[in-house]
Amino acid sequence: EVQLVESGGGLVKPGGSLRLSCAASGFTFSSYSMNWVRQAPGKGLEWVSSISSSSTYIYYADSLKGRFTISRDNAKNSLYLQMNSLRAEDTAVYYCARRVSGTKGFDYWGQGTLVTVSS
Amino acid sequence: QSALTQPASVSGSPGQSITISCTGTSSDVGGYNYVSWYQQHPGKAPKLMIYDVSNRPSGVSDRFSGSKSGNTASLTISGLQAEDEADYYCNSYTSSSTYVFGTGTKVTVL
Repeated sequence: EVQLVESGGGLVKPGGSLRLSCAASGFTFSSYSMNWVRQAPGKGLEWVSSISSSSTYIYYADSLKGRFTISRDNAKNSLYLQMNSLRAEDTAVYYCARRVSGTKGFDYWGQGTLVTVSS
Repeated sequence: QSALTQPASVSGSPGQSITISCTGTSSDVGGYNYVSWYQQHPGKAPKLMIYDVSNRPSGVSDRFSGSKSGNTASLTISGLQAEDEADYYCNSYTSSSTYVFGTGTKVTVL
């Protein structure tokens, strides 16, 4: 069974940093591109970042302006999101999502981890 | 990258069919057959319902279907059921190799 479990969320002050993790199991992690998607409270989904299976291709939403860094460790079946210079508007549930093999949809999602940026 | 445009809400009675539109540009929806649709119930993670415009993942009811014309994609739910009440989001791959979601549509079963 495919499972994605996010962790690392919590309360952080504006300007602070946080590192999210996503532990994958039930599939060959190293064969899939992975993504982070976020959802602010009561708002819609926002795509954050993607990373290819071997980390060759990495993309970010323009709105992040270089503050976030996506990475992965295929040996540990883990995906990461390093978030720096956090702002109140980064408050959201952060989901990791697997990209469908050979195409562009997101077929499996974690349960999400809540990041709250507040003083 | 601006969010794709969806109607804020759509409603229908049980058994009816409803259609949700998703309008983008030639740099996203119109430029690629990489439109996907997601269903999200309150407090839950999104669920993939349609990918590549019109393909259904295994396990998704055939009451859900997708299509595209120009810069607008559509999701149709036929034989509307109570459990279909949820938020629905479209998503498209873009010319910048990124992705963009729609604004979201709340479906209400009357």
